[in-house]
Amino acid sequence: AQSVTQLGSHVSVSEGALVLLRCNYSSSVPPYLFWYVQYPNQGLQLLLKYTSAATLVKGINGFEAEFKKSETSFHLTKPSAHMSDAAEYFCAVSITGTASKLTFGTGTRLQVTL
Amino acid sequence: DVKVTQSSRYLVKRTGEKVFLECVQDMDHENMFWYRQDPGLGLRLIYFSYDVKMKEKGDIPEGYSVSREKKERFSLILESASTNQTSMYLCASRSGTGGFNQPQHFGDGTRLSIL
Repeated sequence: AQSVTQLGSHVSVSEGALVLLRCNYSSSVPPYLFWYVQYPNQGLQLLLKYTSAATLVKGINGFEAEFKKSETSFHLTKPSAHMSDAAEYFCAVSITGTASKLTFGTGTRLQVTL
Repeated sequence: DVKVTQSSRYLVKRTGEKVFLECVQDMDHENMFWYRQDPGLGLRLIYFSYDVKMKEKGDIPEGYSVSREKKERFSLILESASTNQTSMYLCASRSGTGGFNQPQHFGDGTRLSIL
């Protein structure tokens, strides 16, 4: 069965600093990987997805993620944090044969300070 | 853009009541999902449906049932509400074509309190 681990339930960065949110997955077959963002009192919004076409994936709002098979990781980065990036971020994995089910990590809350 | 609409943003019910949460999507998606979200636990799948009248249990189906009579509508039912079902409930839909890399699209959630 697939699983996702997000290291760090809370991450705090200064405005303008690098954002790094960590995600490691476990899957016995090639996975599809997703990052979602949740702003307060809203549902989840897709940031980006990995679908094996390219290991470096660019998403919305300046975020990107790199798929590293050897490390079973899909970390999310942004070169320069903005106050509007404060939200909760979820990594999720899907594999073929599971009727399109997503397995989510427990989330990382990003705080951006002045 | 895909629109997933959940009928209520906030709902307060009493223990023992039968509770209905409604979800409608406007993109003719085959797949629909119900999750609950709790602090520190992320999103957990309750039930999903891959076609009209078809449903499958997710990871935490106990105490819940679902109904999908029309393609655009997926209802979550709490048969006899209990306080441990106080949570945020999120509905999602997904296209059944285009492979497993199709993302899920989420509604804004229903924050349900059981007193």
